[in-house]
Amino acid sequence: DAGVIQSPRHEVTEMGQEVTLRCKPISGHDYLFWYRQTMMRGLELLIYFNNNVPIDDSGMPEDRFSAKMPNASFSTLKIQPSEPRDSAVYFCASSSGPHNSPLHFGNGTRLTVT
Amino acid sequence: GDSVTQMEGPVTLSEEAFLTINCTYTATGYPSLFWYVQYPGEGLQLLLKATKADDKGSNKGFEATYRKETTSFHLEKGSVQVSDSAVYFCALSSGNTPLVFGKGTRLSVIA
Repeated sequence: DAGVIQSPRHEVTEMGQEVTLRCKPISGHDYLFWYRQTMMRGLELLIYFNNNVPIDDSGMPEDRFSAKMPNASFSTLKIQPSEPRDSAVYFCASSSGPHNSPLHFGNGTRLTVT
Repeated sequence: GDSVTQMEGPVTLSEEAFLTINCTYTATGYPSLFWYVQYPGEGLQLLLKATKADDKGSNKGFEATYRKETTSFHLEKGSVQVSDSAVYFCALSSGNTPLVFGKGTRLSVIA
């Protein structure tokens, strides 16, 4: 079991550029979550999918953020255009069942927008 | 809505000291309760869980008991090690909604 795989581990970009974060969930997991972690706001749920369908995107900060899950083994989180306040660690997590099931987190992508 | 309140850190302890990290919750119905741990440079991982009142979750020497009467799920360990240095998150799930996390408590254990 390779775990949840995120790429890249680190991303440094300039304000205004497009950023794409990638996630491969654990095979067989039906739920996929995107979180953002900052010192000020802690861990925030951005969006989650069930069977590749977005269920709740109410945590997405604004229209600059979008997420897709084209198939069961891949998801992306895109920020366009990026801003310095988007700097954070972004985590992807997957689980095999509804919300009582354990979440398996990737190691995150540390995004720095200058 | 559902919420979790954890004691603020950082918590600094000497090796072999006793650890308590307080966690209280507000929820409708009967939530499941969790502790997650985040080691430096990694994502969160499940440490232990309890799904009903009076259940005790335990793992790696850590324990927490689901106390419905005090709406609490305090994390304890009898003798901490340097390797326990991490950020600990209390969380709850009311079943149909995603996990609600606390803000995390940073623990530093010094030799």
